[in-house]
Amino acid sequence: AQSVTQPDIHITVSEGASLELRCNYSYGATPYLFWYVQSPGQGLQLLLKYFSGDTLVQGIKGFEAEFKRSQSSFNLRKPSVHWSDAAEYFCAVGGTGNQFYFGTGTSLTVIP
Amino acid sequence: DAGVTQSPTHLIKTRGQQVTLRCSPKSGHDTVSWYQQALGQGPQFIFQYYEEEERQRGNFPDRFSGHQFPNYSSELNVNALLLGDSALYLCASSSNLESNANYGYTFGSGTRLTVV
Repeated sequence: AQSVTQPDIHITVSEGASLELRCNYSYGATPYLFWYVQSPGQGLQLLLKYFSGDTLVQGIKGFEAEFKRSQSSFNLRKPSVHWSDAAEYFCAVGGTGNQFYFGTGTSLTVIP
Repeated sequence: DAGVTQSPTHLIKTRGQQVTLRCSPKSGHDTVSWYQQALGQGPQFIFQYYEEEERQRGNFPDRFSGHQFPNYSSELNVNALLLGDSALYLCASSSNLESNANYGYTFGSGTRLTVV
């Protein structure tokens, strides 16, 4: 069965520091992987997605993620965090049919 | 170009009541999916509608039902509300013309349902 684990419930970083959010997935075939961001009171916005090919994926807002099949991971990174990046981040895997399986999310706090 | 529109934005209901949530998909999209996001959790798939029929369903009881209209808009109905149904309900639309690999989903901002 498909599943996603985000081991970090909450992360605090200083503005300008680098960021890495962890995501591990369980899927029987080549996964379709996604990162979404959710600001308070808002819906989900797609940051980036991986289907195949280059394992380093670039997204919006300066985010990138690297697919590592051997580790079943799809970690999200950003070299320099801005205060506006404070939000909830969800990793998701595309399952059979058209549904997503989401992780429980990582809440990011950015301190000045 | 309007994205996905959901109404109402907030709703308070009493246990045992019934509720209807509404979703208008993004222009050009014909497929609507509904997700439930409990507090502190990731969204969970409820079901997907295409061509006015339920195409796929997640692990939710049949108290949760839906409908899709000819204009592609959709409703989510929940009967016999339980306290545990309190959550943010998200609607996502997509185009069936796109391959599954594209997953061109657009999410709405959701309806916050509180059951008291």
